[in-house]
Amino acid sequence: GAGVSQSPSNKVTEKGKDVELRCDPISGHTALYWYRQSLGQGLEFLIYFQGNSAPDKSGLPSDRFSAERTGGSVSTLTIQRTQQEDSAVYLCASSLVVTQYFGPGTRLLVL
Amino acid sequence: GENVEQHPSTLSVQEGDSAVIKCTYSDSASNYFPWYKQELGKGPQLIIDIRSNVGEKKDQRIAVTLNKTAKHFSLHITETQPEDSAVYFCAASIYQPGAQKLVFGQGTRLTINP
Repeated sequence: GAGVSQSPSNKVTEKGKDVELRCDPISGHTALYWYRQSLGQGLEFLIYFQGNSAPDKSGLPSDRFSAERTGGSVSTLTIQRTQQEDSAVYLCASSLVVTQYFGPGTRLLVL
Repeated sequence: GENVEQHPSTLSVQEGDSAVIKCTYSDSASNYFPWYKQELGKGPQLIIDIRSNVGEKKDQRIAVTLNKTAKHFSLHITETQPEDSAVYFCAASIYQPGAQKLVFGQGTRLTINP
């Protein structure tokens, strides 16, 4: 079946603008995760959802970052008033039990 | 919280030789250790994982070993091939049904020389 999909694949924005990143998990997967990968770095946990609730938001870097998940499926990660340091690849993953399956990521560039 | 250190950051081996990547973790409660392979422009893909109730797991040319006492685990790739060239990430988490937060190492860029 289809894997995790993310859109857009690339996003260029100006400093101060808001951006929305979308994740479509594998159908039936109850858990959904967001990670951030800066250039040449490892993956940094941001937030995860179990169903529609987010038990752990500890990784969100600032209050400019928020995420929601509706209907236990699609999730959006919103970054308000973007800064240049927000430039990174934002990866989404979903899981049913243990294994996390990753999408291709959204490459965000803030000018 | 958990901290994962990964070494080396880059590794270059001749085709056909073996490659070993090592990770250490800090939280003794961690009990799930996956390894991911990331090719250029793609998301990470799980290649093998191990839980703390076993010391070694193999899947064809790939094996992972775990030493819970020393809090380190390693990825072994034998008979390397050019398509093994990628960035490899280790991770650790406390397994719980339904969801777990993975803490990743910094990655190892593996290059297989023909």
